[in-house]
This record gives sequence, C-alpha cells and structure tokens, in this order.
Amino acid sequence: KQEVTQIPAALSVPEGENLVLNCSFTDSAIYNLQWFRQDPGKGLTSLLLIQSSQREQTSGRLNASLDKSSGRSTLYIAASQPGDSATYLCAVESGGGADGLTFGKGTHLIIQP
Amino acid sequence: DAGVIQSPRHEVTEMGQEVTLRCKPISGHDYLFWYRQTMMRGLELLIYFNNNVPIDDSGMPEDRFSAKMPNASFSTLKIQPSEPRDSAVYFCASARTRSGNTIYFGEGSWLTVV
Repeated sequence: KQEVTQIPAALSVPEGENLVLNCSFTDSAIYNLQWFRQDPGKGLTSLLLIQSSQREQTSGRLNASLDKSSGRSTLYIAASQPGDSATYLCAVESGGGADGLTFGKGTHLIIQP
Repeated sequence: DAGVIQSPRHEVTEMGQEVTLRCKPISGHDYLFWYRQTMMRGLELLIYFNNNVPIDDSGMPEDRFSAKMPNASFSTLKIQPSEPRDSAVYFCASARTRSGNTIYFGEGSWLTVV
C-alpha cells in the first residue's frame, strides 16, 4: 500500500527566503505526483502535476522535482512571500492511475513578514 | 464556472442523526470524488463516480456511509446514523479524466457530530 510522508510537518521562515518542502513515497511505481496548496477553511488547489516520465515542473516561483527511483519529490519556493503561507500537500497516483490519489498529511508553512 | 460547490459548509449534529452532504461538480467533468480529511488520517478517498456511476467505494468506512449521483450535476454523501468519530471535513472534487489532469476541490463541508 502506497504511503506518502511529508517533512517537515510545519515550517516558519522569514519573508524572502528560498525554501524546500519534502515529500517521500514508499512505492516508486507511480503514475504521477501532484503538489497542492490548502488555505485555512478552504479546499485544495492544484499547483503542479509531474507525470512519472518527467523530472520537474515549474510554475512561477514554484519548482517541483521528482526522483521516482528514490521515492522523493521536492517543492522549491523561491523568494517566499507572506501570501505563500498555507498547507502544502503532496499526492501520488499509483497503479497506472487506477488507485487514486494518496495524500501526505502536508507541511504547514508560515512566511513571517 | 463557479467551481465545485458544496453544501452545507458547516454542520453540527447530534449523534444518531442523519447527515446529508451535497456537491455540484464543475460542468463537463466526468469524474466526481468524495474525500474525508482528519488530523489523524489526513485526506482519504471515500468513493468516486464516473459518468454518474459509482466505480470504487472501497474507501467508504462502513455501511453507515452511502453516496449517490443521480445526475451529472449533483451528488450526495449520506451518513446514517452519524457518530462522533465521523467528525471531519468532507471534500467533493471533480475532474475531466480519472487521472493525470487537474482535480478541482470544493471548499469542504465541516461536520461536527456531538
């Protein structure tokens, strides 16, 4: 059974810093990996989707990498801003896409002004 | 499009009562998902539909939970009878395809069973 772990569970950094959020998964036979953002009291918003054949995806100040063989992904946030404060969740899709998304419990990020 | 719409946003009910959560997916999306989020277990898939047909309900915790999708624009998740351990945030999400594409989440229904 696929398990997804995110470290750290919480992170607080000053505005302007570059930071890295980590995600690891136990079964490397994934179909794709997604990073989501969740604001308090809100649903999830998809940030980046990396297909299993890809190594990274970029959107603005966000860059997500995927290393299937080691079962890891990172989300890099450049020049962090207070508006980046949220919980970031990693999710993997396994079983050729048939098993659905397995989510990590997220990293709660606070950017201090 | 207004996105995925869920109701109610918040519900507090007494143990033993029936709870019905509602969802309107994004028009044109063939897949609808129900998730539950708790601090202990994180986000878990309960059930998903394709073209209004339930495909996989293996995540439904027990017989007290049921879900329906009578048409392409409406789905319900029902808990009867409710128990305190059902307290969680229930999310509905929709997508054009089963996987590999952006999945859109509603803002959730926050359920408290006392």
